[in-house]
Amino acid sequence: NAGVTQTPKFRVLKTGQSMTLLCAQDMNHEYMYWYRQDPGMGLRLIHYSVGEGTTAKGEVPDGYNVSRLKKQNFLLGLESAAPSQTSVYFCASSSTEQVYNEQFFGPGTRLTVL
Amino acid sequence: QKEVEQDPGPLSVPEGAIVSLNCTYSNSAFQYFMWYRQYSRKGPELLMYTYSSGNKEDGRFTAQVDKSSKYISLFIRDSQPSDSATYLCAMTPYSSASKIIFGSGTRLSIRP
Repeated sequence: NAGVTQTPKFRVLKTGQSMTLLCAQDMNHEYMYWYRQDPGMGLRLIHYSVGEGTTAKGEVPDGYNVSRLKKQNFLLGLESAAPSQTSVYFCASSSTEQVYNEQFFGPGTRLTVL
Repeated sequence: QKEVEQDPGPLSVPEGAIVSLNCTYSNSAFQYFMWYRQYSRKGPELLMYTYSSGNKEDGRFTAQVDKSSKYISLFIRDSQPSDSATYLCAMTPYSSASKIIFGSGTRLSIRP
């Protein structure tokens, strides 16, 4: 039981390049989330999904797109990376959207945009 | 001004000490309060969850919410080196996880 996994673990991009971050969970969870974590800012929600084929915007969605084609996978795309997108990205999943149901987080992807 | 304020630390205490971690907030509508623990280079994990005011205890950990002062605390008794981590407070007015506001975290170090 791997829980939540994220690929890749590290990435360096040049401004304007594109990339996709992959999140996979093996807990059959309906809800999946993408966060970014920046120093002094805390975790901020980028996009989330309430089930296969659905996505919704979070607090900071600009510059990102997401897709949930399969229940176990949630992809985060950067079409044209900017230095402001340098951050640590965390994926999470949960069985329901209630806050008292624990969100299980992945280990993170460290992205640097030059 | 941020909705949730948390002292970044670092906070360094000797093993066995009682640790007090705190957050203040400005939105009186917050009803659900959480504490997460995040080890270095790992994702956060939910430590404690509290609804509305009052105390909640789980082993060596106690979460306290004072809505009148807009202040929440996490106490760790008999602290261990394995408690060394960053602690994030989080809160939301709704039960939906998509509306959580996180604090920036306090880095805690327990000295053996």
